[in-house]
Parts: sequence; structure tokens; C-alpha cells
Amino acid sequence: GAVVSQHPSRVICKSGTSVKIECRSLDFQATTMFWYRQFPKQSLMLMATSNEGSKATYEQGVEKDKFLINHASLTLSTLTVTSAHPEDSSFYICSAKDRDIGNTIYFGEGSWLTVV
Amino acid sequence: RKEVEQDPGPFNVPEGATVAFNCTYSNSASQSFFWYRQDCRKEPKLLMSVYSSGNEDGRFTAQLNRASQYISLLIRDSKLSDSATYLCVVGMGFQKLVFGTGTRLLVSP
Repeated sequence: GAVVSQHPSRVICKSGTSVKIECRSLDFQATTMFWYRQFPKQSLMLMATSNEGSKATYEQGVEKDKFLINHASLTLSTLTVTSAHPEDSSFYICSAKDRDIGNTIYFGEGSWLTVV
Repeated sequence: RKEVEQDPGPFNVPEGATVAFNCTYSNSASQSFFWYRQDCRKEPKLLMSVYSSGNEDGRFTAQLNRASQYISLLIRDSKLSDSATYLCVVGMGFQKLVFGTGTRLLVSP
């Protein structure tokens, strides 16, 4: 079964609204989680690294005020896409690092966001 | 130049064939290397890590050439279920992973 759960798996929202995506580690503690975005036929692009209890580290070109990341507990990180626009439509996927098992990385199932 | 480059394919092969994928990376300081498999509209799943000495897992063999900054994946006796996109992934430890765009494999009966 999945060790990292993402919710929702699919979401459609209206342009200008905000949408929150949750990433939960199941049965392990994740001090670090990663958020990626994948456009059709393109590679996964790291958006930000989320560290529990501290501010996320954003990759160059990713607007921190648009993509809000909160990692308030060792099992949950959230990504909020604020004021979403159609160009934000993409596959968003998180991964979590299991600190207790050699820093093994597990991916969530991904979330399909469509902004209309 | 992309950090990780792969031939996007698709590679169309019959069942039982042997197929090889290649990948090059630009950052000579990269420390970790992986092949992931991604099925259509799904999350990537780790296929295998890649080591300088080369490693094999069943029908899959991975090789790393640090001098040439080149990684390969060989799949023997292809199965229909091998049809997927294979992602070459390079990282600085596990802290930052850089994904290639993937090579699509289609195995036909």
C-alpha cells in the first residue's frame, strides 16, 4: 500500500481561487518533503523542499507567495496554490524522506489540478 | 543544456526483446543515480539505484560511467508490463533529485 498519501487526487477549480493539496506520510516520520510539478510530456520539476517546523526552500523561478507550503508536523505537508490560473494546471506530486530508513524517498500518488 | 538528458522515444519493441536506454547528466558533482518508472498519469516509482560498479536486478541492468557522465538501463526479455516511461534521475544525495524527461517504452505482443 501507499506509504505517502496525497489528497485530492484530482481537483478542478475556478481561476482566481486557491486550492490546497495535502501530502501525508503514513507509518513514518518525514522531516523533509519535496513538492514537484510535471507538465504534460515534461520532466518532474522540483518546486520546493519542505522542512518540518521551518520555512520551505523554493527553487529558482517558483513564487513562494503563490505556492504556499506548510510543514507543520512530521507527517503532513500542504501546498496551497493561491489565485490559481489556467497555466497552473498540472500534475503536482510530493515525496517524503523517511529519516529512519536510510533517507529512503517515497512518492505520493500525485494530484491533478485543472484550473478553468 | 538540460541537467539530465534522455531520448524521449518511444521505443517500440516486441515481447522478449532486449532494449537499452541511455542518459547523460551535466553536473559532475552529482552523487546519486537512479532509474524510476512512471506509468501514464501516475507517480514515479523507484526501479533501481545505479552504482559505478554496475548492478543487476532480475532482467534489469544499470550502468554508470562517471567519466563520461552517462547512465544506462538494459532490459532483457521485455514483457508487456514493462511498457512505461523510464526516468533517469540524478541527485546530490537524496536532498535534490533532478529528473530527465523520460524515455517511453512500448512493448508489443
